[in-house]
Amino acid sequence: EAGVTQFPSHSVIEKGQTVTLRCDPISGHDNLYWYRRVMGKEIKFLLHFVKESKQDESGMPNNRFLAERTGGTYSTLKVQPAELEDSGVYFCASSQDMGTGGVFGPGTRLTVL
Amino acid sequence: GENVEQHPSTLSVQEGDSAVIKCTYSDSASNYFPWYKQELGKGPQLIIDIRSNVGEKKDQRIAVTLNKTAKHFSLHITETQPEDSAVYFCAASKGGGSNYKLTFGKGTLLTVNP
Repeated sequence: EAGVTQFPSHSVIEKGQTVTLRCDPISGHDNLYWYRRVMGKEIKFLLHFVKESKQDESGMPNNRFLAERTGGTYSTLKVQPAELEDSGVYFCASSQDMGTGGVFGPGTRLTVL
Repeated sequence: GENVEQHPSTLSVQEGDSAVIKCTYSDSASNYFPWYKQELGKGPQLIIDIRSNVGEKKDQRIAVTLNKTAKHFSLHITETQPEDSAVYFCAASKGGGSNYKLTFGKGTLLTVNP
């Protein structure tokens, strides 16, 4: 089966611009998670979808971040406007079982200049 | 909330030696403990996991042990090979119901020298 895919693999933008990251989970996986790793720090949870519904968005840093999962398939994470501290690697993971960590995608490296 | 501490941050071993990475967690309600391996340019890949009703789990050269009383768990890699070189992350989760999200340690860079 195809794994979790993320697009783009890298994105370099200037402060104040908007960026949209996309995640395509493994087909049939209802659970979709977003995580972020800021340079030198641990991977941190952002939010969790079950199908198209946000189950937990307690990790979202602020209202500049907007995640959607239309139709319960792929998901997008929009950052608007981007700030320097948003730089990092954004990972998406998907799973069928809510009690497991899921399969991770390769990540999107975001650099805000 | 949950806090996971991971040690060491870097580990260098000779090929064929064993490597041990240790993690502690703070929330006694955590019941699922996965370990991930991340190679350069790739996402974290699950290599082994353990649940709180088990004390030890082994898969070929990799084993994980869990001490619920002390709230710590460890990854053991035996007969290390150069391809084991990567960053390893431990994580903890309260699996089940609405408790699913992973709290990660900061990672351990393992280098296996040929």
